[in-house]
Amino acid sequence: DTAVSQTPKYLVTQMGNDKSIKCEQNLGHDTMYWYKQDSKKFLKIMFSYNNKELIINETVPNRFSPKSPDKAHLNLHINSLELGDSAVYFCASSSGLWRNEQFFGPGTRLTVL
Amino acid sequence: AQSVSQHNHHVILSEAASLELGCNYSYGGTVNLFWYVQYPGQHLQLLLKYFSGDPLVKGIKGFEAEFIKSKFSFNLRKPSVQWSDTAEYFCAVSKNRGSTLGRLYFGRGTQLTVWP
Repeated sequence: DTAVSQTPKYLVTQMGNDKSIKCEQNLGHDTMYWYKQDSKKFLKIMFSYNNKELIINETVPNRFSPKSPDKAHLNLHINSLELGDSAVYFCASSSGLWRNEQFFGPGTRLTVL
Repeated sequence: AQSVSQHNHHVILSEAASLELGCNYSYGGTVNLFWYVQYPGQHLQLLLKYFSGDPLVKGIKGFEAEFIKSKFSFNLRKPSVQWSDTAEYFCAVSKNRGSTLGRLYFGRGTQLTVWP
């Protein structure tokens, strides 16, 4: 049973394109997150939704737009992709915001050419 | 600035050696502390966590960590490492209140390489 799943696993695209990454969790959690892991393995939070409401929106270019159609899904749409967007994007979920052990998805490796 | 520091960027050990990875944080107040492991090409998995109570926490795969509040530290230990412990290890901190509630702050990670 996959707890947090992401699609696609790999994404290779040209600069300027628009792409989406999908995330689904079957843990019944209320809170979902998107993290970016750069080439030096540093993980930084981008967004968080709690009960479908955006609660964390870090300093991220507005080309990045999260969408949560329901509590089990949090998708990430990226417009006008740039070379610097190349990274591994991880989705995560937790049962809430307090004492929030987070469960991570397998990651999506995005390569922008 | 508030941060999570992992002092060792790369640790190389032989099998059966003991391991200690350092983690310090600079957040005030009550914090939650985590160690995650990322095996090559895989997602992050939780090794152990500390919320409150006994400051010595035992996790999976023989790992443990000790919370020392006075030192703002949460060091990870294992008495005898195995080749299969080769991975990237991340310390992370979250707070229980305030505007940063829910955010997990990560250290920059420590790459552990274990030689057989």
